[in-house]
Amino acid sequence: SQQGEEDPQALSIQEGENATMNCSYKTSINNLQWYRQNSGRGLVHLILIRSNEREKHSGRLRVTLDTSKKSSSLLITASRAADTASYFCATLNTGFQKLVFGTGTRLLVSP
Amino acid sequence: EAGVAQSPRYKIIEKRQSVAFWCNPISGHATLYWYQQILGQGPKLLIQFQNNGVVDDSQLPKDRFSAERLKGVDSTLKIQPAKLEDSAVYLCASSLDPGHLYGYTFGSGTRLTVV
Repeated sequence: SQQGEEDPQALSIQEGENATMNCSYKTSINNLQWYRQNSGRGLVHLILIRSNEREKHSGRLRVTLDTSKKSSSLLITASRAADTASYFCATLNTGFQKLVFGTGTRLLVSP
Repeated sequence: EAGVAQSPRYKIIEKRQSVAFWCNPISGHATLYWYQQILGQGPKLLIQFQNNGVVDDSQLPKDRFSAERLKGVDSTLKIQPAKLEDSAVYLCASSLDPGHLYGYTFGSGTRLTVV
């Protein structure tokens, strides 16, 4: 079963612009993770934010987590064509030890 | 470090045939996962191993799917007999822990087409 729902399903921007993707989930979580998947490839782990954290940065990535709203956002600043990929949020639910993925956002960055 | 290795990369079979996928996780990673990703969807967990024991196989269609992890290292996932709806990418991943502190490392996947 899918835990997270990403919004939007697809996003098209120009190089240099910022891209924001949102994720909503349903149950209490231990942590939330974001992954990138290039077409035809496996997933690459980008960043992990724990339930007691509100914001985390990694290079051009900024992730926020609002556990009261059961939502997270991923911001990619100064996007590049190489950022074109699908982005998935995944939650590690409290009491369980399995990572449940959302439906993904397809990002297209045009030169 | 070497990544998660999977083979084959692609497989085309007819329905009712059997197929097997192989995965070699990152050395030292105790936790291994098999995910199924249908086109346009997020990955769905099929089975999770901790060393060579099964932690979760609640979403594994056990009438046709089986998996094993011998000696707590390599793993194989088998489908017998395959159905059209099994067409998907099968992703193997491994982790140092069950995801509490570290993310998962995924292989490139095996794309299965059932015709």
